[in-house]
Amino acid sequence: AQSVAQPEDQVNVAEGNPLTVKCTYSVSGNPYLFWYVQYPNRGLQFLLKYITGDNLVKGSYGFEAEFNKSQTSFHLKKPSALVSDSALYFCASYNFNKFYFGSGTKLNVKP
Amino acid sequence: NAGVTQTPKFRVLKTGQSMTLLCAQDMNHEYMYWYRQDPGMGLRLIHYSVGEGTTAKGEVPDGYNVSRLKKQNFLLGLESAAPSQTSVYFCASRQTAGGPEQFFGPGTRLTVL
Repeated sequence: AQSVAQPEDQVNVAEGNPLTVKCTYSVSGNPYLFWYVQYPNRGLQFLLKYITGDNLVKGSYGFEAEFNKSQTSFHLKKPSALVSDSALYFCASYNFNKFYFGSGTKLNVKP
Repeated sequence: NAGVTQTPKFRVLKTGQSMTLLCAQDMNHEYMYWYRQDPGMGLRLIHYSVGEGTTAKGEVPDGYNVSRLKKQNFLLGLESAAPSQTSVYFCASRQTAGGPEQFFGPGTRLTVL
């Protein structure tokens, strides 16, 4: 069975501080993992993906994610948060033509 | 390129009414998906299609039907709407090669009274 978990409903961080949004996965075989961002009243936008290769994946808007096989995690990170990063973030896995999404984490970046 | 578009953007139905949501993409993508988004539950897959003329069930298909008569369009139908179908519906598409990241439409907010 495929599943993705986002243990935090909400993450609060001050602008300029580093941010981490957590994701753990349970997949069979090699994991294909993704992060998407959703701004209010908009569709999801692709941020980054891990298919194979380097455990540190760089994506859009300065975001990166670290794949950790032993901890089955794929946490999203950014060294310095911006107020404009405030949004809903989804982790997802892919297997046999289907995507499995986490429940989402609301990121609040305060000035 | 318009990308992925959805029609309508908003709709209010009464219980038992029917409607069709239209998703169109101009990227020549083979794969198309319909999701519903509910608070605290992320996105759940309703139906998907791996090519023109094909459809398959996702995680929550009951109460919905789909058709993919043309490659660029993917229709989601509600034959007899129920309040439990109040949700925001998203369509997505992706290419066969590379990726497999998806491109999402802006969503349709449906309320069933």
